[in-house]
Amino acid sequence: QVQLQESGPGLVKPSETLSLTCTVSGASMSSYYWSWMRQPPGKGLEWIGYISYSGNTIYNPSLMSRVTISINTSKSQFSLSLTSVTAADTAVYFCTRDTSLQYWGQGTLVTVSS
Amino acid sequence: DIQMTQSPSSLSASVGDRVTITCRASQGISNYLAWFQQRPGQAPKSLIHTASSLRSGVPSRFSGSGSGTDFTLTISSLQPEDFATYYCHQYTSHPHTFGQGTKLEMK
Repeated sequence: QVQLQESGPGLVKPSETLSLTCTVSGASMSSYYWSWMRQPPGKGLEWIGYISYSGNTIYNPSLMSRVTISINTSKSQFSLSLTSVTAADTAVYFCTRDTSLQYWGQGTLVTVSS
Repeated sequence: DIQMTQSPSSLSASVGDRVTITCRASQGISNYLAWFQQRPGQAPKSLIHTASSLRSGVPSRFSGSGSGTDFTLTISSLQPEDFATYYCHQYTSHPHTFGQGTKLEMK
């Protein structure tokens, strides 16, 4: 079955760059959109953006100046980069498949702190 | 941005109850509406897409309806494992947005 797994540092210093990778197994990356979501502790879900298998991206305007999503289909991976992080970026980050978000990774907590 | 407003924000119910959660969009979204269940410490689980299509493996006690701006998620007979937080999500207009969540608690 389709599985997604986030990986990356759990602690990032303020003003630095948050970088996460999602590894996909059990399915080809072709013909799908691949998305990132986040959820601050105790709060609701926020859509960060998505990338198509061909590399086209759409981002949330609230994060657009700081976010980049990239894809490497040969490695079955896609990645999130968020620059100039602050404490407000502390959240569980999820990777997902499809615009309707059929499949989710388990999520990874990223804490922004010095 | 399209605002998604869920009601109620929290709900107390008992096993066997019929429960309905509503989600209202600030603009029409056709049927590009999904529902998710999230248990504490877990990732959201997709229940329904395109407003009323049940995902494979999701129990038939869950159902969704609506189109345009008003949508509902109904659980016909609550089971112990259904006590969780539920989110609606529109995926037709960028940025895609979520409702604030409805916490379903045991009475």
